[in-house]
Amino acid sequence: EDQVTQSPEALRLQEGESSSLNCSYTVSGLRGLFWYRQDPGKGPEFLFTLYSAGEEKEKERLKATLTKKESFLHITAPKPEDSATYLCAVDQGGKLIFGQGTELSVKP
Amino acid sequence: GAGVSQSPRYKVAKRGQDVALRCDPISGHVSLFWYQQALGQGPEFLTYFQNEAQLDKSGLPSDRFFAERPEGSVSTLKIQRTQQEDSAVYLCASQGNAGELFFGEGSRLTVL
Repeated sequence: EDQVTQSPEALRLQEGESSSLNCSYTVSGLRGLFWYRQDPGKGPEFLFTLYSAGEEKEKERLKATLTKKESFLHITAPKPEDSATYLCAVDQGGKLIFGQGTELSVKP
Repeated sequence: GAGVSQSPRYKVAKRGQDVALRCDPISGHVSLFWYQQALGQGPEFLTYFQNEAQLDKSGLPSDRFFAERPEGSVSTLKIQRTQQEDSAVYLCASQGNAGELFFGEGSRLTVL
């Protein structure tokens, strides 16, 4: 059965303290791995799609990378406005299966 | 509108009442998805449509849940005889050309 596991569940950083979020997956034939950001009371907001091992994508302070077993979301010099829950998901035959998310808090 | 629109944003129902949640997807998007999100959890798949055809309803938790998209645009998720365990945020999404989902803000259902 396809599974997506994110770690840690929660992460507290000081402003400027770089770190990484992990997304481990088991899926038969990856068709895409997606990262989303979700703010409280809002729907998830699309960030990146990765399709093959070795692929990387960047957006501002965020960089997503992909291997055959996991994906990392690297946050460089985070700011308080980066505080949110970050979700990853894999494409399972056209529908996305989500992990439980990592709640990131960045303190000034 | 430019994004996915959901209504109502908040719904309080007494146990046993029926509720209907509406989703207006991004214009031109063929595929539409419904997800359920419990507090502190990731979204869980319920069902999806391609135009008016419901292609997968494997995530619907019981036969009290019913979804439709009769004209291939607006969709409605109906929950009959609501139970307390139905309390959650219901998210609707439409799908872009690269497979990414664009979500609405969700409908928060509280069953008392």
